[in-house]
Amino acid sequence: EAQVTQNPRYLITVTGKKLTVTCSQNMNHEYMSWYRQDPGLGLRQIYYSMNVEVTDKGDVPEGYKVSRKEKRNFPLILESPSPNQTSLYFCASRPSTGAGTGYTFGSGTRLTVV
Amino acid sequence: TQLLEQSPQFLSIQEGENLTVYCNSSSVFSSLQWYRQEPGEGPVLLVTVVTGGEVKKLKRLTFQFGDARKDSSLHITAAQPGDTGLYLCAGGRGTASKLTFGTGTRLQVTL
Repeated sequence: EAQVTQNPRYLITVTGKKLTVTCSQNMNHEYMSWYRQDPGLGLRQIYYSMNVEVTDKGDVPEGYKVSRKEKRNFPLILESPSPNQTSLYFCASRPSTGAGTGYTFGSGTRLTVV
Repeated sequence: TQLLEQSPQFLSIQEGENLTVYCNSSSVFSSLQWYRQEPGEGPVLLVTVVTGGEVKKLKRLTFQFGDARKDSSLHITAAQPGDTGLYLCAGGRGTASKLTFGTGTRLQVTL
């Protein structure tokens, strides 16, 4: 089944403890992206990648890192999480062909930083 | 700054009613997508429109892209409880690797 898989689905952590949210897609998509979703603010793009070793900042990149060493994986790294990073996170991917092709989203990771 | 404004934010209607959701921007987009999101899941693409004035139909859903490619609308005819969800518009520029999402319209359809 074609899908984007995120792990974990739920995570509670403490301020300052480094964490990684993994994302993997099995559709050979070139583009991958991370979003966070907050009430009243909608989905905001954190980082995106157009291919292996090609990443760029989205609208809210502060406090996050990403890497794209393999086409299928696009992990999101929080080096020193803070409470304002408590949010619902989504990874998404799409092929590079066709500007109108939509993203396929994962099921989300709900992160709580205390 | 939110580049895409959706209205209304909330909509509660009865089964069988018609409704329209609007997505407006002061910016021009090369493509406009509509997604529906259900609780506990990620957004799922409904449609993409790329040409100014374009109209697309998906069963009871009709999507329109404004002539100037700054706005879009989603019209649902004879709404059903299964239409309940969060509807999101998203604008793309160029290759659309970077999408800007609207704040969403939460629709509830009751029997």
